[in-house]
Amino acid sequence: GNSVTQMEGPVTLSEEAFLTINCTYTATGYPSLFWYVQYPGEGLQLLLKATKADDKGSNKGFEATYRKETTSFHLEKGSVQVSDSAVYFCALRSGYSTLTFGKGTMLLVSP
Amino acid sequence: DTEVTQTPKHLVMGMTNKKSLKCEQHMGHRAMYWYKQKAKKPPELMFVYSYEKLSINESVPSRFSPECPNSSLLNLHLHALQPEDSALYLCASSQDNRYSSNQPQHFGDGTRLSIL
Repeated sequence: GNSVTQMEGPVTLSEEAFLTINCTYTATGYPSLFWYVQYPGEGLQLLLKATKADDKGSNKGFEATYRKETTSFHLEKGSVQVSDSAVYFCALRSGYSTLTFGKGTMLLVSP
Repeated sequence: DTEVTQTPKHLVMGMTNKKSLKCEQHMGHRAMYWYKQKAKKPPELMFVYSYEKLSINESVPSRFSPECPNSSLLNLHLHALQPEDSALYLCASSQDNRYSSNQPQHFGDGTRLSIL
């Protein structure tokens, strides 16, 4: 079956620090990969996606590259802001399956 | 601003009440979903509708009853809920679930439900 593993949080950073949140997956077939972000009191927002190997998804300064050889989709940002504080979910979808989420990683950015 | 609208934003109800959660999207999506999310956990899938027909029920108790009146609307009818049902209920939509595995789901902001 499909599964997603994310690094445990919270991740605590100072403003302007470099961010990496690790995500690895197990899937049948050729999954599409997603990062969602959930700000406090809100629903999930799609942050970025990649649909095939070596694709790079990017949005709002965040990037993630679909690495088939390492089954990974790590989220990175060069300089985080306080407003990036949120919970980040890595997710995949393969074939006719529904979304499979990781457990989520909370990011806390201090001024 | 989200393109999936959920009402109400907050709901407090007793265990004997009957209430409904509503979800609306105007993106032309033909798949719609209900999720339950507990604090500090990922969303858990409850139901999937594809072309207004129920295609997935993840063994959800019958006190939750979904309804899809048309391609833009999705309801979740609640009756005789338990305290453990208190959670954030999220609605999502996407292009047809069967043939669009690379299409993302778009989520609403959810209804925060508290059962007294």
